[in-house]
Amino acid sequence: GAGVSQSPSNKVTEKGKDVELRCDPISGHTALYWYRQSLGQGLEFLIYFQGNSAPDKSGLPSDRFSAERTGGSVSTLTIQRTQQEDSAVYLCASSLVGGPSGNTIYFGEGSWLTVV
Amino acid sequence: QKEVEQDPGPLSVPEGAIVSLNCTYSNSAFQYFMWYRQYSRKGPELLMYTYSSGNKEDGRFTAQVDKSSKYISLFIRDSQPSDSATYLCAMHNTDKLIFGTGTRLQVFP
Repeated sequence: GAGVSQSPSNKVTEKGKDVELRCDPISGHTALYWYRQSLGQGLEFLIYFQGNSAPDKSGLPSDRFSAERTGGSVSTLTIQRTQQEDSAVYLCASSLVGGPSGNTIYFGEGSWLTVV
Repeated sequence: QKEVEQDPGPLSVPEGAIVSLNCTYSNSAFQYFMWYRQYSRKGPELLMYTYSSGNKEDGRFTAQVDKSSKYISLFIRDSQPSDSATYLCAMHNTDKLIFGTGTRLQVFP
């Protein structure tokens, strides 16, 4: 389809392992966002990419979290040395342009991460 | 204090009822206000978008923004069981959206 694609859809990992979550945005979208949603919580901003600009990493909760976006398209969120509190749904979103405007932000269906 | 406050519910109403969902916020700089709907195990989808103060209507849905009170609302008329979902308010802060915690709505037949 033409929507935001995320993989894996579900991931169970052992505490201390590293995980990589992938996001394939809608073709042509220059802005890409990562959010985290824990049970009963709203969406927590993690990181934002806009074109070739330096990403806004202000939401990353610790240095165990990192993300990159290659070629202005696919993005990978990496969590090192996972902890149980990292268990959440990791949502990726993209929009045609970034910034506070009327453009629509489209979300993927999320990667459900469980750390045991 | 969170930038955006939203009652998590759950809110349970009979089919046909009028539903009122609300958020308050603290940052007077917010200009763009959205409502997202999220079905279980799905990503959020944009339902309504409003710029600055005022009302916007789309079918059974009406979004209201009162910037003087820092209060936004979403009304659903003639609610249907298919409206059962979590509704999240969101506001633009520079380049990112700030979300409320979401209100879980259950419409029973």
